[in-house]
Amino acid sequence: SQQGEEDPQALSIQEGENATMNCSYKTSINNLQWYRQNSGRGLVHLILIRSNEREKHSGRLRVTLDTSKKSSSLLITASRAADTASYFCATVQRDRGSTLGRLYFGRGTQLTVWP
Amino acid sequence: NAGVMQNPRHLVRRRGQEARLRCSPMKGHSHVYWYRQLPEEGLKFMVYLQKENIIDESGMPKERFSAEFPKEGPSILRIQQVVRGDSAAYFCASSSQGGYGYTFGSGTRLTVV
Repeated sequence: SQQGEEDPQALSIQEGENATMNCSYKTSINNLQWYRQNSGRGLVHLILIRSNEREKHSGRLRVTLDTSKKSSSLLITASRAADTASYFCATVQRDRGSTLGRLYFGRGTQLTVWP
Repeated sequence: NAGVMQNPRHLVRRRGQEARLRCSPMKGHSHVYWYRQLPEEGLKFMVYLQKENIIDESGMPKERFSAEFPKEGPSILRIQQVVRGDSAAYFCASSSQGGYGYTFGSGTRLTVV
């Protein structure tokens, strides 16, 4: 089963508003990553947060991680029409004897930003 | 640095044919991962390879699917005797170490007719 689950499945906002997407996961993780995918294209890495970090910023992006609740959020401030895309969280599990490497993806949040 | 290169971008195969998908990792990356994405879904892990070795193939169907990453040349995902259910986007990612710094290719969209 998928490790990460994003919420909401779809989000529609106006330019200038903030967009918040949430991600929940099930097992202990080494790190959590957020990716963006434009329609019909590959994934672009946005930001990585390690399990011992609580918050990280990158430009208009802010990511939080709560390992006690096994959840993360991605905030995009002052959204633009060009931010329209699908956003995925992906986790890397703690090594339990298996090799650290594979990403577990959620189904994604489809963000639409209207001009 | 050309990034992760996948080819072809689009591939159409008739049922029963073979599909070969290629992935050239970023320069300096020795870890390669293949993922499959169905419409409206997230990516599902298939296989993780390092040069000449399969590290984790737990996400790959036991039959008809195989992957390799030879000492020289790109990684190849091979699907034999394709069926309609194999139609999907197949993405390759590479990294210099496991767990961090993934770069994804643009994917190969396989359509089985």
